[in-house]
Amino acid sequence: DAGITQSPRHKVTETGTPVTLRCHQTENHRYMYWYRQDPGHGLRLIHYSYGVKDTDKGEVSDGYSVSRSKTEDFLLTLESATSSQTSVYFCASTQEGEKLFFGSGTQLSVL
Amino acid sequence: QKEVEQDPGPLSVPEGAIVSLNCTYSNSAFQYFMWYRQYSRKGPELLMYTYSSGNKEDGRFTAQVDKSSKYISLFIRDSQPSDSATYLCAMSDSNYQLIWGAGTKLIIKP
Repeated sequence: DAGITQSPRHKVTETGTPVTLRCHQTENHRYMYWYRQDPGHGLRLIHYSYGVKDTDKGEVSDGYSVSRSKTEDFLLTLESATSSQTSVYFCASTQEGEKLFFGSGTQLSVL
Repeated sequence: QKEVEQDPGPLSVPEGAIVSLNCTYSNSAFQYFMWYRQYSRKGPELLMYTYSSGNKEDGRFTAQVDKSSKYISLFIRDSQPSDSATYLCAMSDSNYQLIWGAGTKLIIKP
């Protein structure tokens, strides 16, 4: 199995606070992704990266920013968390194509 | 209308039954089709990958793509309780951006 770890696994925070989720992969994959998963919506792409310092927006990027300073690390930041950002967040990576490898997810609750 | 439609279920079948899971889509440019399996509180894992039309078989699993009808299917033979999970379809055109179905929850009753 691809080595992808997400931290924290669970997070409870208050509206208006900043939150950073971390993704670390040991496969030297070029591409990394952040998704959110909500009932009835499936997986929705927030941001993705195609290399160190190379990132782009997905379909639901408003309110989120990302950074990738090293191949193995991809950070997702909620600058000012809102209740609509309560969700399960998944990180994924791949060397090429569509065969993604996922982490175990972060359950985020914004109160 | 969503680009990819998938019945959320739950679909409950007895052990040993043949299971059929389906997705429909609207974008004729899609040419890469995938099925991912997701166990509770885990990330999705790739189960089947198909390029263009046709069938692909892997053990008890068969993926089928009908591009003329914009319809893909996943068949599971001799279903086992360990197959209980949510099954997500995903597809893309040539730029590798995946579009996902909402997932079908499958329950295999012993």
